[in-house]
Amino acid sequence: TQLLEQSPQFLSIQEGENLTVYCNSSSVFSSLQWYRQEPGEGPVLLVTVVTGGEVKKLKRLTFQFGDARKDSSLHITAAQPGDTGLYLCAGASYGQNFVFGPGTRLSVLP
Amino acid sequence: NAGVTQTPKFQVLKTGQSMTLQCAQDMNHNSMYWYRQDPGMGLRLIYYSASEGTTDKGEVPNGYNVSRLNKREFSLRLESAAPSQTSVYFCASSEHVGLDEQFFGPGTRLTVL
Repeated sequence: TQLLEQSPQFLSIQEGENLTVYCNSSSVFSSLQWYRQEPGEGPVLLVTVVTGGEVKKLKRLTFQFGDARKDSSLHITAAQPGDTGLYLCAGASYGQNFVFGPGTRLSVLP
Repeated sequence: NAGVTQTPKFQVLKTGQSMTLQCAQDMNHNSMYWYRQDPGMGLRLIYYSASEGTTDKGEVPNGYNVSRLNKREFSLRLESAAPSQTSVYFCASSEHVGLDEQFFGPGTRLTVL
């Protein structure tokens, strides 16, 4: 069974601060996804990364896939209250289902 | 397009009762999934259907059954509910297993007393 760990589990910051959350595993993944989930809703995909060392940017969010394809990070610049939510990473090996991590719950205070 | 729809949104059951959670997608996706989400444990896969006519067990299938009724619909049945099945249940769909974006429904919050 592939296990994904995410850290920190909880994060509370002030608007305008920067933050990084992490997703780690001992398994190698062919693709890794980040989702954001808001209260009472299902997760929504933010990004998919497939190449070791890959960096993708989505406005103020920067995603990096580790060189060995075992870990990933999400960096948010100048966080806003609208960034509040549960951030989930999910990894898959070739042709297999995605396995989700437990998530990082982010709260951005105005 | 409605995306992925789930019914009901909320449900309270007594131990031993049965119920079926319904899910439908209008994106013509091949693959559909049922997850449960519990605090601190992320999403855990219960069952999935890689394509119409097939179903397979996920990580936590015990106590559940599924039916892929057609390409659009994938239902989850609890035959004899237990308090351990209290959770939020999400249905999702994607083009294929293991690479594509999964689109999630709004969830069903189930409480078993």
